[in-house]
Amino acid sequence: NAGVMQNPRHLVRRRGQEARLRCSPMKGHSHVYWYRQLPEEGLKFMVYLQKENIIDESGMPKERFSAEFPKEGPSILRIQQVVRGDSAAYFCASDSTNTGELFFGEGSRLTVL
Amino acid sequence: GESVGLHLPTLSVQEGDNSIINCAYSNSASDYFIWYKQESGKGPQFIIDIRSNMDKRQGQRVTVLLNKTVKHLSLQIAATQPGDSAVYFCAENGNAGNMLTFGGGTRLMVKP
Repeated sequence: NAGVMQNPRHLVRRRGQEARLRCSPMKGHSHVYWYRQLPEEGLKFMVYLQKENIIDESGMPKERFSAEFPKEGPSILRIQQVVRGDSAAYFCASDSTNTGELFFGEGSRLTVL
Repeated sequence: GESVGLHLPTLSVQEGDNSIINCAYSNSASDYFIWYKQESGKGPQFIIDIRSNMDKRQGQRVTVLLNKTVKHLSLQIAATQPGDSAVYFCAENGNAGNMLTFGGGTRLMVKP
C-alpha cells in the first residue's frame, strides 16, 4: 500500500512563474491536507480538502495560492507569480476519517530564484 | 544537556540514555495531541498520540505525558539510539478535521 505520494520532490522556479505541486493520498483516504514548512520551523496548516470540496482554507494566503482535489486525479496546490518568500517545503497529508491518524508525504521543496 | 541554538532548540544525549523533549501548547480547547519525528529531507512521521482525557500513554520505548493544567506535553524516549536523531514536533488539534497546529520543534542529537 503506497503512502502519500508527492511530486515533484524538488522544484525550482524564477520569480513570477507558476508552481504546481501534486499529491496523491493514500489508497482509501478521502481527505487531503496541505502544510507549509519554512526552514527550521514547524509545519503550518494551509488547506483541507475532500473530493471536489474545499473544507477549510483558513491557512492559505488570500492571493496567488489555490488548491483543488478533483473527482479524479491528484490534489494540486498551485502558486501563481511566485516570490522568494514562497520558497519552502510543502507537505501533503491524508486521512480516512478526520479524526484518524494523519499520514504525511515526503514533501515538495520549492526554491524560488 | 539542552541548549537553544540559532533556530531550533537542540537536545544532545548519549546513546543509551533517556531523552525528554518538552512542548508547551497554546490552545486550551485542544483535545488531541501528537508527537512527530522528522528526519532530514523527509516528511513528519507519527510517533505517538494522546487525547485530553488521558495524562499518560506508552508506546514502544516512547511515553507521552500531558499536563493540561499548565498546557504542557512531553515525549520520553527510553534507551535513545542513533536512529532517534531527528527533529521532533508536537502538534495539537482542537478542530474538526486534522488541521494541526505544530510547535517549533526540538532537534535531538544522539552521540554514539
